[in-house]
Amino acid sequence: KNQVEQSPQSLIILEGKNCTLQCNYTVSPFSNLRWYKQDTGRGPVSLTIMTFSENTKSNGRYTATLDADTKQSSLHITASQLSDSASYICVVSARGSARQLTFGSGTQLTVLP
Amino acid sequence: DGGITQSPKYLFRKEGQNVTLSCEQNLNHDAMYWYRQDPGQGLRLIYYSQIVNDFQKGDIAEGYSVSREKKESFPLTVTSAQKNPTAFYLCASSIGGTPNTEAFFGQGTRLTVV
Repeated sequence: KNQVEQSPQSLIILEGKNCTLQCNYTVSPFSNLRWYKQDTGRGPVSLTIMTFSENTKSNGRYTATLDADTKQSSLHITASQLSDSASYICVVSARGSARQLTFGSGTQLTVLP
Repeated sequence: DGGITQSPKYLFRKEGQNVTLSCEQNLNHDAMYWYRQDPGQGLRLIYYSQIVNDFQKGDIAEGYSVSREKKESFPLTVTSAQKNPTAFYLCASSIGGTPNTEAFFGQGTRLTVV
């Protein structure tokens, strides 16, 4: 069964600090991995998408890494801002699957002033 | 603006009633999806549709029904058979069928049984 595990479940940091969120997956055959940001009561918005051949991808203060051998990904947030407070969801797509997407349960990040 | 629109944002249902959640997209996407989100859990797939007039059950389809009469629209009906319908419902669409397909989400509908 395809699964995506995220850690930690929740995280509290002070504004300006860095943090790293983790994602482990067992989706096969792997197609790509996305990180989404979901504000409370809103729909998820894509931050990055990574394919099998990509190791690192940045989007502003967000940097995602992918190790396809160990089936792990991380999302690093630099110089956190209050607006970074949200749930960050790791989503893995299986190649050839009409259902396409397996979601992690998310990491709830709270940035305090 | 192109996007995916869900309505209403909040919905209250009495026990035993059916309710229909709307989802419309103008992105010309072939694939559309309905997910349910509960606190502390990942999104779970209810139904999905890859083309007009065709749809498939997801992992938790019991107590739900859908239709796909138009490419732009994928309404979800929560029937009285759904025993625990209180949740946050998300609709998504994607081009579908390509390796880097990205799902675009609506803003969600929060359904509460009263």
